[in-house]
Amino acid sequence: KAGVTQTPRYLIKTRGQQVTLSCSPISGHRSVSWYQQTPGQGLQFLFEYFSETQRNKGNFPGRFSGRQFSNSRSEMNVSTLELGDSALYLCASSLAGGLQANNEQFFGPGTRLTVL
Amino acid sequence: DAKTTQPPSMDCAEGRAANLPCNHSTISGNEYVYWYRQIHSQGPQYIIHGLKNNETNEMASLIITEDRKSSTLILPHATLRDTAVYYCIVRDHGSSNTGKLIFGQGTTLQVKP
Repeated sequence: KAGVTQTPRYLIKTRGQQVTLSCSPISGHRSVSWYQQTPGQGLQFLFEYFSETQRNKGNFPGRFSGRQFSNSRSEMNVSTLELGDSALYLCASSLAGGLQANNEQFFGPGTRLTVL
Repeated sequence: DAKTTQPPSMDCAEGRAANLPCNHSTISGNEYVYWYRQIHSQGPQYIIHGLKNNETNEMASLIITEDRKSSTLILPHATLRDTAVYYCIVRDHGSSNTGKLIFGQGTTLQVKP
């Protein structure tokens, strides 16, 4: 079974631009979560989508948004990029909601975004 | 904020057991303890999780104290490829939280030859 894939793997943008990152979950997984990782703040939860609906949201400004499609693929968008948005953006998928014994998340390799 | 406390770094000799501690004194009754690790520049990898009983899989063992306020991840025979940052996370399995992990700073494990 293929793992979580993220595209692109590397991206360079300039301040003020916007960017869209893509995540394809493991087949059959319905939950997709996004995380930002920086040296200063570590791994921080951005948001989670389940069945095309945002189910959880972290403490990030409205410039960060996302969506999920009917095939569970997800995109996240960052508008009006700032230097501080330079980070590794990770996507993770898991099976579904509910009380499940094995609810682990599977992470993709990430997209390395550099804002100049 | 993360509900766990871990030492920032640890060393281990190759072939020896690595014992990584985690404190989660405010854990609630329906919260599980999860362990992930992140090898440099890769996405985090799930290792193991447990509620109150000790657990073992092909990667590691998880020992949870009786009061559930702390746990230890054990890598029985550490190899150089186990060098990584190890994260201990507590979370419940409620349907509203399945996709949300709160990471702390983790423990950087350095396995030395």
